[in-house]
Amino acid sequence: SQQGEEDPQALSIQEGENATMNCSYKTSINNLQWYRQNSGRGLVHLILIRSNEREKHSGRLRVTLDTSKKSSSLLITASRAADTASYFCATDAGDYKLSFGAGTTVTVRA
Amino acid sequence: EAGVAQSPRYKIIEKRQSVAFWCNPISGHATLYWYQQILGQGPKLLIQFQNNGVVDDSQLPKDRFSAERLKGVDSTLKIQPAKLEDSAVYLCASSLVGPSTDTQYFGPGTRLTVL
Repeated sequence: SQQGEEDPQALSIQEGENATMNCSYKTSINNLQWYRQNSGRGLVHLILIRSNEREKHSGRLRVTLDTSKKSSSLLITASRAADTASYFCATDAGDYKLSFGAGTTVTVRA
Repeated sequence: EAGVAQSPRYKIIEKRQSVAFWCNPISGHATLYWYQQILGQGPKLLIQFQNNGVVDDSQLPKDRFSAERLKGVDSTLKIQPAKLEDSAVYLCASSLVGPSTDTQYFGPGTRLTVL
């Protein structure tokens, strides 16, 4: 079964706008990771945030983690056409396995 | 550095036939993972190897799926016999240390269609 649930399922934005997606999970975690998947390709690791961290940045990406609410958010600033992809959160619940959500499909319009 | 290699990229078979997928991880990566990704869903872990030993195969349908990682490098995943519901993308990933959930590197996947 999938632990993480992303919201929204799909998101369409104009180039240059920010995109925000959320991930909720059910059990306590060691870390939470975000991955990107372009159409027809494998997943690419974006960022990992540990349970004792609240916020991390990587380039145009900002991830927050609220363990009290069992939720995380991924913000992509100043979106580009190349950001069009599906974004997945994945949780490690301490059993050294990753459990992926169903993903958010982001479309960036030119 | 070369990435994770998988072959074939696409496969179409009839139900009840057999199929095998091959994965070559990044050189030096101890841990290798096979995931199944059904259309519209996130990847689901099927089996995890550390070197040539199985760490977790709790979600592998063992009546029809098998996997091996000989010599702790390449791996093959086999389905015999295939069912319609096995239509999915099969992703292979590897990580440097393991079992660990620090960065996993994914291959491009094999898209399986079962008719």
